[in-house]
Amino acid sequence: GDSVTQMEGPVTLSEEAFLTINCTYTATGYPSLFWYVQYPGEGLQLLLKATKADDKGSNKGFEATYRKETTSFHLEKGSVQVSDSAVYFCALSSNNDMRFGAGTRLTVKP
Amino acid sequence: DAGITQSPRHKVTETGTPVTLRCHQTENHRYMYWYRQDPGHGLRLIHYSYGVKDTDKGEVSDGYSVSRSKTEDFLLTLESATSSQTSVYFCAISESGITRYTGELFFGEGSRLTVL
Repeated sequence: GDSVTQMEGPVTLSEEAFLTINCTYTATGYPSLFWYVQYPGEGLQLLLKATKADDKGSNKGFEATYRKETTSFHLEKGSVQVSDSAVYFCALSSNNDMRFGAGTRLTVKP
Repeated sequence: DAGITQSPRHKVTETGTPVTLRCHQTENHRYMYWYRQDPGHGLRLIHYSYGVKDTDKGEVSDGYSVSRSKTEDFLLTLESATSSQTSVYFCAISESGITRYTGELFFGEGSRLTVL
């Protein structure tokens, strides 16, 4: 079945460092791909999405490009802030379900 | 923020007791979902609803039942709670549902359930 694999971390970075969180997927057809973020004590919020190959989703300085040839949707940010500390989930749309990766905990230190 | 309220937010119960979690939305979205979040597994779908009285099973539905008697409310029931059902439960809503090609979810803040 459809699935998502992402690096589990945890990832610890200093403020202003470059961030990459890897995500690869297995799916039939061409699903939409998503990154969700979960701040402590809260539910998940949509961070960005891409609906077809070569699309780039972006929001709040984060970017991810839908790569069909490598079945990947890696999350990147050029300069992280302490406020970016959260758990990040990669996900894909499937039939009547959103399939999530295990989540990657990011901690950014000042 | 999407108007999604979950209750209770925290609950501790004992093995064998029934538990009901409630999700209430004010967005009038047709689709509602219950997920559980566990370390190493991300979120997994328990049940979903595509309309009043219309529900279906998700990936991890064993031991759970749901009901939806009104558009705005979606209840998740554990008939006889077990320790393996200790988890954080999230309700989510979607206006158009999730297909193989598209979909977007809005999440509640979660309900932490501990079964002793």
